[in-house]
Parts: sequence; structure tokens; C-alpha cells
Amino acid sequence: DAKTTQPTSMDCAEGRAANLPCNHSTISGNEYVYWYRQIHSQGPQYIIHGLKNNETNEMASLIITEDRKSSTLILPHATLRDTAVYYCIVKTGANNLFFGTGTRLTVIP
Amino acid sequence: DTAVSQTPKYLVTQMGNDKSIKCEQNLGHDTMYWYKQDSKKFLKIMFSYNNKELIINETVPNRFSPKSPDKAHLNLHINSLELGDSAVYFCASSLSGLAGAGDTQYFGPGTRLTVL
Repeated sequence: DAKTTQPTSMDCAEGRAANLPCNHSTISGNEYVYWYRQIHSQGPQYIIHGLKNNETNEMASLIITEDRKSSTLILPHATLRDTAVYYCIVKTGANNLFFGTGTRLTVIP
Repeated sequence: DTAVSQTPKYLVTQMGNDKSIKCEQNLGHDTMYWYKQDSKKFLKIMFSYNNKELIINETVPNRFSPKSPDKAHLNLHINSLELGDSAVYFCASSLSGLAGAGDTQYFGPGTRLTVL
């Protein structure tokens, strides 16, 4: 699987949009970008995934650049409950998800 | 209803013992997984089963043996527990587990194993 690079930590004010970047410059054409988060040692929670097009669901939006070498996860209105470690994962057909170190997002009141 | 459940939530045991962790999913998925998260918080896959058959077995000691009585269950048996086995173990499931990169995995709440 392609490697990803994420900032170690980020802060976001409550109510603001949280924009979490991810670089995946070695991504290949059939690899999906997945985002998961882990809140305080709970099980990883699926957020969103995409291949080429931007995606939106009830939790977040995923913006993938045209060359697919980077993406941004957007939480439109961050709440304190969104404080977590966010993992950006590039996944091929192999079914093992490779979790890196992720970005620790802290939402500040 | 809990989609992926694990029991027990906490497990404290002595070195050398044999223990099991159970996992069940009610999502109708065909594939189930076990992941290990160590003290440094790195989350790594251990096993993957598709329709009761092993499809991924990462470099895991033989003391770890997954057992799948049916496709809704994947239990993890650990023999001769060692201090280094202390970790949080997560079960997950996905719909097909086949070579489709859009196959989403859903995780259980985890089992915190402490070996004394």
C-alpha cells in the first residue's frame, strides 16, 4: 500500500471547520483513500473513503486533488467529540489496512 | 444493535496462561480480521478470514490461532501468553474481503489484554 504523510497534531476551535491534510504522492490508480478516526483507544471508526471524486457523507467531506497525490478531510463544524486521532490510509485490493501514526486533532472550546 | 462486538472488554492474566477473545459481527459480512494495537499505539493486522478461510496471516507467533466457527464469528486463541502480548486487540469485519479496494472495514470496541 502507498505510504501516507500526515501532520502529527492539529488544533481546531469548536464550531469551526477542521481541515486535515494527507499526502500520498505514490498512490496508484486503483488505490482508494480511506479515513478512520480513533477516539481515546476505542475501536477505529470509519469516516469516509474515495477514489477520484470528492465525497461527502453525514460525518465529513473528502477532497482529493486532481493528481490524487493528496487529500483533505473536512469536518465542517468540529465539536469536542471530534477530538481523536485521524488516520489517512491508502488501500489497494489487499485487505489489510495500514495505519500510520495519524493526526491527533484537538478541538478547543 | 452492536455491529461488531468483542468479549471480554478487559482481560488480565498471568504469563504462560492460555486465553481466548471472542468476536461476533451481525452485519452479514463475509470477512473478519484481527488487529493488534501495542503500547505505542501502532495498529497492525494479524489475521484475515473470508468465509471461515484464512486469507491473511501476517508475521504472528504460532501461539496465536484464530478460529472461525462460522462467518459471523472469529475468535482469537492465545497460548502461553507472554508479557509482550499485552496490547489492545481489535476485531473488524468487511462485506466481501475480496480484491476490491472499496471494501470498508468496521471495527469492534477492542479487548485490552494485560499479561502480568
